[in-house]
Amino acid sequence: DQQVKQNSPSLSVQEGRISILNCDYTNSMFDYFLWYKKYPAEGPTFLISISSIKDKNEDGRFTVFLNKSAKHLSLHIVPSQPGDSAVYFCAASAGGGTSYGKLTFGQGTILTVHP
Amino acid sequence: ETGVTQTPRHLVMGMTNKKSLKCEQHLGHNAMYWYKQSAKKPLELMFVYSLEERVENNSVPSRFSPECPNSSHLFLHLHTLQPEDSALYLCASSQDWGAQYYGYTFGSGTRLTVV
Repeated sequence: DQQVKQNSPSLSVQEGRISILNCDYTNSMFDYFLWYKKYPAEGPTFLISISSIKDKNEDGRFTVFLNKSAKHLSLHIVPSQPGDSAVYFCAASAGGGTSYGKLTFGQGTILTVHP
Repeated sequence: ETGVTQTPRHLVMGMTNKKSLKCEQHLGHNAMYWYKQSAKKPLELMFVYSLEERVENNSVPSRFSPECPNSSHLFLHLHTLQPEDSALYLCASSQDWGAQYYGYTFGSGTRLTVV
């Protein structure tokens, strides 16, 4: 049972345009959500996060939106740059229950930004 | 060195071999994790250690044996592996178990191939 899903394996956008990466989750106990970015031959690095008490968090070019009723979150990157080309993982955690103390990851979306 | 360091970066082993993966963190974190990343699958949590005690074993086969001798070091001992165990093995750390709100710091991973 995959509790965090990224249904788009890949996304291709033009430099300067907006990239929108999507993530859906099923566990209603999740109360914190994170996005990680991974380059080849490197480990994932933390990008941005959002608590379930908010519906938006912004950090520079990166904005994460959370729709709790739809159990959906998205990462917006604007403007997109070639250096943003990487695999993006959505992750979720819970303050209690069986998901306490651990991150549950989606399968990742490969973003390619063309010059 | 800073961050989370994993060695070796690449490992090829036969099914009858015994090998170990090493992870070291220089961040003063109290929790350490082993994750497995297989092709086109989400990162799968294997083990969690908090203050050198194992707090989570995510139904991992006994051919994988973790060891945490101190809060800075984490090992994954491997024996009689199967070809389907070939994957990227990622180590991560966080300030404390349950401190997922701050995210994890990942190492670059060990690419394991079982032949």
